[in-house]
Amino acid sequence: GAGVSQSPSNKVTEKGKDVELRCDPISGHTALYWYRQSLGQGLEFLIYFQGNSAPDKSGLPSDRFSAERTGGSVSTLTIQRTQQEDSAVYLCAIRRVSTGEQFFGPGTRLTVL
Amino acid sequence: ILNVEQSPQSLHVQEGDSTNFTCSFPSSNFYALHWYRWETAKSPEALFVMTLNGDEKKKGRISATLNTKEGYSYLYIKGSQPEDSATYLCAFPNSGGGADGLTFGKGTHLIIQP
Repeated sequence: GAGVSQSPSNKVTEKGKDVELRCDPISGHTALYWYRQSLGQGLEFLIYFQGNSAPDKSGLPSDRFSAERTGGSVSTLTIQRTQQEDSAVYLCAIRRVSTGEQFFGPGTRLTVL
Repeated sequence: ILNVEQSPQSLHVQEGDSTNFTCSFPSSNFYALHWYRWETAKSPEALFVMTLNGDEKKKGRISATLNTKEGYSYLYIKGSQPEDSATYLCAFPNSGGGADGLTFGKGTHLIIQP
């Protein structure tokens, strides 16, 4: 997607390991979102950062999930002690203020064995 | 928990035919309704953000209408082409605010048959 990169593109890990997913948006976007799509499910909201405000963590599925955004730019999503049900495509998005549209990165496909 | 429903779940359409599908959403505290197209191996792509009851938006052969009072939106594709094959998602802001995270429907998976 325009203006958002994510890494890695694919990640295979063993159950119980920790993983860190990265989102790198172009500068100037204060709103950043994380979503995921599990197999057979719709896109699911995880967390939302807006400037210096406290993030909206209401979508995080468990306390094994956390995210931070440093310096209002790069964001990392960390999953501790991964489980097989964490396998999904994790997407990061930014918002165009003028239209409200969200622009998505290419995603990270996480597979937990 | 917001209830955003899309129907049908999947749709097979002959090339050249027109088609439409539905998104229903909570009619109270309406702020905006988003439509996205998600092609396989690509990122979701924004199509429309609709905010006004009765609004109709158009992008090429794709258009959308909005009824906020009854809580539904239709997406129309005129003269379907193979490149229209994708999953079409609608989404509603979580707390009724413009900058919130979105609750997505499960999508309509559209397959255009040559």
